[in-house]
Amino acid sequence: QSALTQPASVSASPGQSITISCTGTSSDVGDYNYVSWYQHHPGSAPKLIIYDVGERPSGVSSRFSAAKSATTASLTISGLQPEDEATYYCSSYTDSSTLHVLFGGGTKLNVL
Amino acid sequence: EVQLVESGGGLVQPGGSLRLSCAASGFTFSDYVMHWVRQPPGKGLEWVARITWNGRSTGYVDSLKGRFTISRDNTKTSLYLQMDNLRPDDTAVYFCAKEGGSPGYYYHMDIWGKGTTVTVSS
Repeated sequence: QSALTQPASVSASPGQSITISCTGTSSDVGDYNYVSWYQHHPGSAPKLIIYDVGERPSGVSSRFSAAKSATTASLTISGLQPEDEATYYCSSYTDSSTLHVLFGGGTKLNVL
Repeated sequence: EVQLVESGGGLVQPGGSLRLSCAASGFTFSDYVMHWVRQPPGKGLEWVARITWNGRSTGYVDSLKGRFTISRDNTKTSLYLQMDNLRPDDTAVYFCAKEGGSPGYYYHMDIWGKGTTVTVSS
């Protein structure tokens, strides 16, 4: 099964807002509200920033928000800060009998 | 502090074996489903395997079935991944991760380790 589709990279300046898309199918993103997003800085542990489409774990900044429409989920980061520069991965439950979750290919956010 | 620390990675020849370990602390390990996720060089994350709280049920990505075995020891709050017949395309950073809730499946992972690097090369 193919990975969820994300743009390879996005760039913006501090203070701006960006949106990262995550496209799946009716077997994953489209039919289930188990979409999550992770922030990953190289050499560090990935960090959960969104779960169940739009829920933020305790301690995650409200600058991070997310939503879903049909088979595409999206992550929005507002008021960009230099420390937001990282790779962002989406993930979704899939009804594939052999997979637990499916990940996207990752989007590198450059804060210029 | 809730923490996962992986170990056991290294350089191994094609066809060889490695056993990864993940030491958990700061939460009731025996309550949670646990996972292994890997990241090949320059690529994205790939879910590898999961194991239920009591170890009675396991699941694997199809491409790995029969070569990798996930297990756990709740008395030692540790997760393991036995990797046999390794291939160059198994080269990756391997992360252990905790299911985001209990009991059962929540389909997100709320705690991750920093990973351990496995390199398969002659």
